[in-house]
Parts: sequence; C-alpha cells; structure tokens
Amino acid sequence: RKEVEQDPGPFNVPEGATVAFNCTYSNSASQSFFWYRQDCRKEPKLLMSVYSSGNEDGRFTAQLNRASQYISLLIRDSKLSDSATYLCVVIPTPPRNQFYFGTGTSLTVIP
Amino acid sequence: NAGVTQTPKFRILKIGQSMTLQCAQDMNHNYMYWYRQDPGMGLKLIYYSVGAGITDKGEVPNGYNVSRSTTEDFPLRLELAAPSQTSVYFCASSHEGFPSSYNEQFFGPGTRLTVL
Repeated sequence: RKEVEQDPGPFNVPEGATVAFNCTYSNSASQSFFWYRQDCRKEPKLLMSVYSSGNEDGRFTAQLNRASQYISLLIRDSKLSDSATYLCVVIPTPPRNQFYFGTGTSLTVIP
Repeated sequence: NAGVTQTPKFRILKIGQSMTLQCAQDMNHNYMYWYRQDPGMGLKLIYYSVGAGITDKGEVPNGYNVSRSTTEDFPLRLELAAPSQTSVYFCASSHEGFPSSYNEQFFGPGTRLTVL
C-alpha cells in the first residue's frame, strides 16, 4: 500500500469556484502533513503546513482527519493563477527523516 | 541567498555513460535530499543526508551514489546510465528533520535527464 495517495484529477473548474482535494495516508502514526504546489516543469514549493486543528491562509484551508487518515485542501474563489499540481506530503513518525509525496492532483481554473 | 542550485539543467546521456548531478545550498541546512520525478508521478526519494559525512538510502537508490563532504554540497552520481533513469531530478534541503511540523523543504530547479 502506498504511503500517500491522491486523486490525480484533473480538476477543471471555472474561475470563482470552490474546489477541494483529499489525500489519504497509510501510517496512522504520521505526525506532519503539508501541501506543496508544483507549476508545470517547475520545482515544488510549500503551499501550507497542515495542523491538527486545521488552518487557513487566505483562500486556502487545510484540514486533518486523523480518524479517517486523510488531509484536505480547500480553495475558495479560484483564480487562474491557482492552476497547478497540488502535492500532498506526509512525514512518518521519528526517527525517519523522509518526506513522502503523493502523485499530485492537477487543477486547471478556466476563465 | 541563491537557495538550492542544481547543475546542469538538461543533459542527454548514452546508455552506459556516467555523470554527476551537482546540488548546492547556501542556507546552512543540515538535511539534503535527492528525488526523481517521472511523468505523471510523485517524487520518489533516492538518497538523503542528515549532515556532512552522513548519507542514507531512500526509496529508489539502485543505480545511484551520493556523497556529502560539506554541508553545502550533495552531488548525485549515476553510474552506467540506463533508459529507466530518464527523469527529472530534484535536490532539496531543509533546516532540520524535526520538529517537522514547522519544517519546509526547499527545492532546486531540477535537472532534466534523458538516457538514450
């Protein structure tokens, strides 16, 4: 079973729409979770960390559901510039220092 | 700060050739990582290092070697290149592994390698 699984999409949504992605993880003891954004042919960049209580950064909201072992990313009022691939990242418990990346979910925001 | 730099940006190799992908960071990060990303796939960890002189295998280390003689540099060596090693290679660094809730990996721009 993969450490991290994501729906690859693609998600094609109109500008202004709200879209949500989920990501499941297999290790119930995992401690740290992130969402990264990767533009076409570019390197991944941190979008936001995911905290146990959930967290928001502008139009982006990240949540963690430990009982069902998934994290989610909600994007409100989608902009054309949000078009990218969103990667879910999980770090298993210490002492492992490895980041496990999902395959990514592709989002295209349509004018 | 330049952040994480990688050279070369592109390279075409013939089967059986060898090469070294260079990676350097100027953020004084202890942790460095090498990933490969195949089309439509996620990043797979090849090797990582938690400090100068210390390296460890990741998920897909076969066909690669690394060294970490300084904090700044973490080269990846491909011996006897094979078509299966055609991929985009990303180097990354982070300040420390834990507490990882506040950790962030910084990536280089990648090296696009084709083996023919």
